[in-house]
Amino acid sequence: EVQLLESGGGLVQSGGTLKLSCAASRFTFSSHAMNWVRQAPGKGLEWVAGISASGNGTFYADSVKGRFTISRDNSKTTLYLEMNSLRVEDTALYYCARGPIVGPTFWFDPWGQGTLATVSS
Amino acid sequence: QSVLTQPPSVSAAPGQKVTISCSGSSSNIGTNFVSWYQQLPGTAPKLLIYENNKRPSGIPDRFSGSKSGTSATLGITGLQTGDEADYYCGTWDSRLSAAVFGGGTQLTVL
Repeated sequence: EVQLLESGGGLVQSGGTLKLSCAASRFTFSSHAMNWVRQAPGKGLEWVAGISASGNGTFYADSVKGRFTISRDNSKTTLYLEMNSLRVEDTALYYCARGPIVGPTFWFDPWGQGTLATVSS
Repeated sequence: QSVLTQPPSVSAAPGQKVTISCSGSSSNIGTNFVSWYQQLPGTAPKLLIYENNKRPSGIPDRFSGSKSGTSATLGITGLQTGDEADYYCGTWDSRLSAAVFGGGTQLTVL
C-alpha cells in the first residue's frame, strides 16, 4: 500500500522556522508530483505548494509565496517544506499528498496522516 | 473565502440520496478536472472522485460525480451513518496557477 509519513511539526514562535518532511514508500516517488496541503484547526483544506516529479517546477499559494520552499530528494523518496517567517495564521495540520500539478487533471491520493505546526505569538 | 463555493452543510435520512454542489469559474472548474474528497472526523482526507466522475478502486458506486460548465456535483445514494463527514471539491485554477478547494460541506445523516 502506498504510504506517506510526515514529520517535523512542532511549536515555534512567530517569525521562526520549521522544516517538514514527508517520507514516501511503496510507489515510484520520482514519477509523481507532490503537494503540501494544510488545515487550520476547525477549518477547511488549503493547498500550500506543489512540486513536479523532477523537482524543476514549483508552485505556491499566494499566502506562503516568498516564505515557504517546497523541495524533494528523489534518492531519499522524501518531500520537504521549509517554512520561514512563520505567522500565527500558519498554525495548521500539514498534509503531504501525491498528485499532479498544473492541470488539467487534478487529484490528490493518497494523503499522509499530517504533522501539526503551531506558531505562537 | 474559498475560490470554489460549496454549501456549508447538507443532511438527509439513512437510505436517502444527497447531492453536494461545487461552483467555480472558467479558470478552474470550467477548464480543469474536478476531484472530491471525504474527510471522516479526525482523519486525513480520502480521494472519492477524480476527473469529474471516476471512482478510485475501493470506492463504492454509491458515490458519483458530474460536471457541467463551471459547476460540479457529488452524489451519494443509499446514505449510511458512516458517510457522516466533511466533503471537499478541488481543482486547479489556471489563472491563479494554484490548486483550489471548496470550503467543505458537512454531511449529517439524520
